[in-house]
Amino acid sequence: ETGVTQTPRHLVMGMTNKKSLKCEQHLGHNAMYWYKQSAKKPLELMFVYSLEERVENNSVPSRFSPECPNSSHLFLHLHTLQPEDSALYLCASSQIRGGEQYFGPGTRLTVT
Amino acid sequence: KQEVTQIPAALSVPEGENLVLNCSFTDSAIYNLQWFRQDPGKGLTSLLLIQSSQREQTSGRLNASLDKSSGRSTLYIAASQPGDSATYLCAVRASGTYKYIFGTGTRLKVLA
Repeated sequence: ETGVTQTPRHLVMGMTNKKSLKCEQHLGHNAMYWYKQSAKKPLELMFVYSLEERVENNSVPSRFSPECPNSSHLFLHLHTLQPEDSALYLCASSQIRGGEQYFGPGTRLTVT
Repeated sequence: KQEVTQIPAALSVPEGENLVLNCSFTDSAIYNLQWFRQDPGKGLTSLLLIQSSQREQTSGRLNASLDKSSGRSTLYIAASQPGDSATYLCAVRASGTYKYIFGTGTRLKVLA
């Protein structure tokens, strides 16, 4: 596997479900990011981890809970979501210095 | 608060034309600026990264320039091809933060 991978690619969940999104980077980077992309809106940064420490939390509701167990893996735990949370969720990684971001293919989330 | 604007929102050109996409930002205190392309329903592909100390970067038919003082960056695409059809996004990383702010993108269509 190369680059940044995300699983699952598609997810449909009810408002009472709990699910997790997974991201893995194979680039030796030390920073990882979660973004949300909704129709007609700019990409929104949700969370940033640098050396496995959360360094940005962009006023994201607590129903989204990130986890970064090591520099290669990033999770986004989801619970009691709302229909307006339906979006494309993108993971990215970079070196802290320099900072060229590389993105995964995204998880298309639909909340019913 | 940093705001990033991309003009035009959409562009349709015949194959072979040279074209310029614009990105403007309101706060010149940036760490770097990155250009991406996004194909429908896919993740983002990094095109060019310009550090705040640089004026331009080139990769193949692509050239990106940065003028921090005026808060502008341009992406120049030479001899456009139908395969260049995609949405082009610019993102600015603010100095001293890990925060990336994205523009809403320019949707480009190159006609054969």
